[in-house]
Amino acid sequence: EAQVTQNPRYLITVTGKKLTVTCSQNMNHEYMSWYRQDPGLGLRQIYYSMNVEVTDKGDVPEGYKVSRKEKRNFPLILESPSPNQTSLYFCASSFMKGSNQPQHFGDGTRLSIL
Amino acid sequence: GDSVTQMEGPVTLSEEAFLTINCTYTATGYPSLFWYVQYPGEGLQLLLKATKADDKGSNKGFEATYRKETTSFHLEKGSVQVSDSAVYFCALTRSNDYKLSFGAGTTVTVRA
Repeated sequence: EAQVTQNPRYLITVTGKKLTVTCSQNMNHEYMSWYRQDPGLGLRQIYYSMNVEVTDKGDVPEGYKVSRKEKRNFPLILESPSPNQTSLYFCASSFMKGSNQPQHFGDGTRLSIL
Repeated sequence: GDSVTQMEGPVTLSEEAFLTINCTYTATGYPSLFWYVQYPGEGLQLLLKATKADDKGSNKGFEATYRKETTSFHLEKGSVQVSDSAVYFCALTRSNDYKLSFGAGTTVTVRA
């Protein structure tokens, strides 16, 4: 089954404790990205990657890191989480055959930073 | 920059009612337009899309027409069901760009 898998689905942690949210897709997609969803703001892009070892900032990259060592995986790293990073996070992927390609989303990771 | 504005919710309807969610956009060039749906506890799923002016996207009884003259992409369904209860997002991508720019989302609740 084609899917984007995120882990964990839920996490409560404390300020400053490094954490990683994993994302894996099994569709051989080139493009992967991370979004955060906040009430009244919709989804905003954090980082994206167009291929292995190619990453770039989205609209709200501060406080986040990513890596793309393998095509299928795109982890999101919070080196020193802060309460303003409490949010619902989504990983997405798509082929790069044109900007009208549908993006496939994971089920989300709800992070609470105390 | 690009932006998407959609009507604020929440919207509460009875089954078989007509649903419209307004969406307007600001973007340079000729963006592709999308409606995504998010069911409770799930990620976003593509509902429909349109890639050029006057295109009509349709799926599961939902329709939206790409209106360049009014920069709009309103979502409609003639007869909603309880299973249509979800959050609906209007979004766009610009040509040669894969980033989705989203509206704030509209929560729709359909009551039996």
